[in-house]
Amino acid sequence: QSVLTQPPSASGTPGQRVTISCSGSSSNIAVYWYQHLPGTAPKLLIYRNNQRPSGVPDRFSGSKSGTSASLAISGLRSEDEADYYCATWYDSLSGWVFGGGTKLTVL
Amino acid sequence: QVQLQQSGPGLVKPSQTLSLTCAISGDTVSSNSAAWNWIRQSPSRGLEWVGRTYYRSKWYNDYAVSVKSRIIINPDTSKNQFSLKLSSVTPEDTAVYYCARGTGDVGFDYWGQGTLVTVSS
Repeated sequence: QSVLTQPPSASGTPGQRVTISCSGSSSNIAVYWYQHLPGTAPKLLIYRNNQRPSGVPDRFSGSKSGTSASLAISGLRSEDEADYYCATWYDSLSGWVFGGGTKLTVL
Repeated sequence: QVQLQQSGPGLVKPSQTLSLTCAISGDTVSSNSAAWNWIRQSPSRGLEWVGRTYYRSKWYNDYAVSVKSRIIINPDTSKNQFSLKLSSVTPEDTAVYYCARGTGDVGFDYWGQGTLVTVSS
């Protein structure tokens, strides 16, 4: 049971907009999002709540309000079908914590 | 371009020690702005950070509470790599293990290719 709570699953049809929530982070701590496709290494999608690394399409966006963060994917594509994880640093644990992950299905 | 290349056995017997190495190119293990992490992934637990080593005028380590009594992460400056040793393994430690670079507040921006480690007799 992670201190960061994500829904276990989400789904959408091609072209749709979907959001994935992540709750439990401290209000003054940044949240990060990773995409994990089977058989590949996880990929950084969003850092510092809402910043996109170069090369990540602007279909992916992040936001945070208080202790909850969200990842939004617009113009959903079949290749977006993956597991998505939020993560944050916990000073009290001196360590990184990941959410339980959300499996996104593109119908 | 940073590249991380992992090596190590894919099968470890219960109660023995899991050992993996991550060779770094395009950066240095003694960088003052990076941390070198091990993260594992299993179907039952998802992604789990297990620990890191980093250099800020001296070497530091942080370890996940779940493995703190069994883990050692060491840098090797002569080979520009870092290693993971996890002792007294059980089948619960079966996972794909990844090394990853953490940079400031950017998060884990470069990852190794992953190594499936199975704990079984």
